[in-house]
Amino acid sequence: EIVLTQSPGTLSLSPGERATLSCRASQSVSSSYLAWYQQKPGQAPRLLIYGASSRATGIPDRFSGSGSGTDFTLTISRLEPEDFAVYYCQQYDSSITFGPGTKVDIK
Amino acid sequence: QVQLVQSGAEVKKPGSSVKVSCKASGGTFSSYNINWVRQAPGQGLEWMGRIIPILGIANYAQKFQGRVTITADKSTSTAYMELSSLRSEDTAVYYCARGYSSGLIDYWGQGTLVTASS
Repeated sequence: EIVLTQSPGTLSLSPGERATLSCRASQSVSSSYLAWYQQKPGQAPRLLIYGASSRATGIPDRFSGSGSGTDFTLTISRLEPEDFAVYYCQQYDSSITFGPGTKVDIK
Repeated sequence: QVQLVQSGAEVKKPGSSVKVSCKASGGTFSSYNINWVRQAPGQGLEWMGRIIPILGIANYAQKFQGRVTITADKSTSTAYMELSSLRSEDTAVYYCARGYSSGLIDYWGQGTLVTASS
């Protein structure tokens, strides 16, 4: 099973700042079968990024994904008030597993 | 617009079973997989398994093998997840979610809270 580790656990930032979230896999994720989801309290997750770097439909361009192999990054260029949430990475190369999440909260 | 509408909250005794439904609309049901993912209170996301409705074939995460059964009814575009031998640790919100053959998951249902308590 591919284990995903996310860092940091919590990121405290102010609106307008840049957020950089990391996701590391225990083994290489081929074909960049890596996705990112956003989840707000009481809501279902929302797909942001798939294929490591492709934005899902309707996702603002302040969200970007990068990386390959075992190291992936989600960047939010300028945080908007609605971006404070928990972010999960997920691999779908070998079965499906999720990372433990990074909470982005207001500083 | 794709919608996945799940059945309502359940309270079950430990040792019993629960069956949650997920009705899809706005897309071609048989063209996608339906995944089940759960989230314990304050915890992360845990994939349980998925079904390919057009084939009726399901596969499960090893942790849930033998305890979970995922089925689909193409005639009503509804998928089901049944979890047996419930224990308190199974208390969680259970989500269904549409997936592709690649494994990518895009649209999610609203979630169903299952509480296992005596």
